Amino acid sequence: QLQLQESGSGLVKPSQTLSLTCAVSGGSISSGGYSWSWIRQPPGKGLEWIGYIYHSGSTYYNPSLKSRVTISVDRSKNQFSLKLSSVTAADTAVYYCAASVTAKNWFDPWGQGTLVTVSS
Amino acid sequence: EIVLTQSPATLSLSPGERATLSCRASQSVSSYLAWYQQKPGQAPRLLIYDASNRATGIPARFSGSGSGTDFTLTISSLEPEDFAVYYCQQRSNWPLWPMYTFGQGTKLEIK
Repeated sequence: QLQLQESGSGLVKPSQTLSLTCAVSGGSISSGGYSWSWIRQPPGKGLEWIGYIYHSGSTYYNPSLKSRVTISVDRSKNQFSLKLSSVTAADTAVYYCAASVTAKNWFDPWGQGTLVTVSS
Repeated sequence: EIVLTQSPATLSLSPGERATLSCRASQSVSSYLAWYQQKPGQAPRLLIYDASNRATGIPARFSGSGSGTDFTLTISSLEPEDFAVYYCQQRSNWPLWPMYTFGQGTKLEIK
């Protein structure tokens, strides 16, 4: 059974880069059966898709964040990562990683989420 | 970008009652719509995919319907554990690559 687990810094200073990693277990990130997404949720608010990456390395980003986002894959560690540059307080959120079966339109499973606070 | 609008924002019902949640898309999403349940401090959980298919392990009291721009999530008889926030989500090809959006959520609270 596929399981995802986020990790990374919980506190980032304004203008710096947010970095998170999602460890995948129960399946291979290189298998081609899934796309790997990042989704965020500001405190008390709704969900926003950030972007995803295929096993091949192809990436697709939300246009509203595209200029600041990089998603990458580390096949040797079976994990994928998110970098969000030039952060502000508006980037404070719970960040989730999630998987989608290739060519399907929904997210399942999700990681449990990690809170990132942007503050000096 | 396709916008999903959920209604009502808050729904107050009692256990045993029937809940009907709505999700309207700004343009057709065919049947490419999913529903999620989120409880405080937890990640969203997939309930329904492709508008009407229950995900693995989801009780039969949850059902989804609709296509095009209008979708409904129905909970036939509310259990205490069903009080949560519900989100709809769609995928489109905007304009050249995949784009996912979520509705703003419906909070289902105990009356």
